[in-house]
Amino acid sequence: EAGVTQSPTHLIKTRGQQATLRCSPISGHTSVYWYQQALGLGLQFLLWYDEGEERNRGNFPPRFSGRQFPNYSSELNVNALELEDSALYLCASSFLSSQETQYFGPGTRLLVL
Amino acid sequence: QKEVEQNSGPLSVPEGAIASLNCTYSDRGSQSFFWYRQYSGKSPELIMFIYSNGDKEDGRFTAQLNKASQYVSLLIRDSQPSDSATYLCAVNKAAGNKLTFGGGTRVLVKP
Repeated sequence: EAGVTQSPTHLIKTRGQQATLRCSPISGHTSVYWYQQALGLGLQFLLWYDEGEERNRGNFPPRFSGRQFPNYSSELNVNALELEDSALYLCASSFLSSQETQYFGPGTRLLVL
Repeated sequence: QKEVEQNSGPLSVPEGAIASLNCTYSDRGSQSFFWYRQYSGKSPELIMFIYSNGDKEDGRFTAQLNKASQYVSLLIRDSQPSDSATYLCAVNKAAGNKLTFGGGTRVLVKP
């Protein structure tokens, strides 16, 4: 069974640009989560999508947004990139939406210059 | 006070010994608890989850949960050099379904 996949693996942008990151969940999983792991800050929750709806959002500005498609894949958009947005962005998925184990993808490493 | 706290380490253990990792959490409403292993430059990999008070064993790993003390631990028996990694404790509350992670404990297993 294929795991969570993410693309691209690496992304280099300049300050002020927009970044789009993509995620495909494990087959059968309907919930997708996004986390940011910045150096020195640990893993922080960004967004949770389930059945196409945003269900919860972490303490991040509105320029972090995303969506979930009918096939349950998801994309994360980061607008007006800032240097401190440089981080590993991790997508996770789970079966059903409540209390289920979250399985992580390999991540997208975003570098903002 | 951080929501989930772990000793950052490094925790140095000789090969074959038991590594003991601890995690405390602040929200009594927390309902599920997870241990992930993360190798440098890689994504977190699930080791174990535990929902009920007591011990849960899976191979060389044992998770222990004490909700009254708001404490969860992970024991790694017969530690191997391949166990050298950062171990992340994560906690999930019922509402919001987000995982809150501790800062991780770095474990070094020396041959």
